[in-house]
Amino acid sequence: DAKTTQPNSMESNEEEPVHLPCNHSTISGTDYIHWYRQLPSQGPEYVIHGLTSNVNNRMASLAIAEDRKSSTLILHRATLRDAAVYYCILRDVRDGGATNKLIFGTGTLLAVQP
Amino acid sequence: DGGITQSPKYLFRKEGQNVTLSCEQNLNHDAMYWYRQDPGQGLRLIYYSQIVNDFQKGDIAEGYSVSREKKESFPLTVTSAQKNPTAFYLCASSKVAGYDEQYFGPGTRLTVT
Repeated sequence: DAKTTQPNSMESNEEEPVHLPCNHSTISGTDYIHWYRQLPSQGPEYVIHGLTSNVNNRMASLAIAEDRKSSTLILHRATLRDAAVYYCILRDVRDGGATNKLIFGTGTLLAVQP
Repeated sequence: DGGITQSPKYLFRKEGQNVTLSCEQNLNHDAMYWYRQDPGQGLRLIYYSQIVNDFQKGDIAEGYSVSREKKESFPLTVTSAQKNPTAFYLCASSKVAGYDEQYFGPGTRLTVT
């Protein structure tokens, strides 16, 4: 499975944008980029996913580099409730039909200051 | 409300005892999963089930067992053979066993002493 690299932690101020980076230099052409987040003592929550084009939803935006070796999760206005661990996960579409397995790394711990 | 429930939230057991963790979903999802999370680490897959009466081992299945007799239920038994059972256990489900997003329950924190 292709690996992802994320910073261990980041800090942001409330109501400011946050850019969470993820490197995936060994990504294959069939890997989707998924983001989940986990609030303290809770189960992970799906945030967004994409393949090649940038994606937007009500929670966040996902910007994918042209060579797909990196991506950035963008929270447009951070709130205190966005403080969580953010996981960047690669999902091989060929494998998805078999297991739908998510491989979690240690993610990025985002702290939001009031 | 649709979702996944896990009970109990906290569970304490003595070493050598088997314990069963509950996971129920009312999302009408076909696939269900069990993950384990240790402090400061990501989640690891224990077992998954794509359909009723079928389940497969994940990456760390040793010392665990599951059943899938009903679509909405996927209980996990932590047996006495599991060497380090103390952990945070998370159940998830998805529409199909594909790359659909997974929905997670609130988790059960198991402590074995």
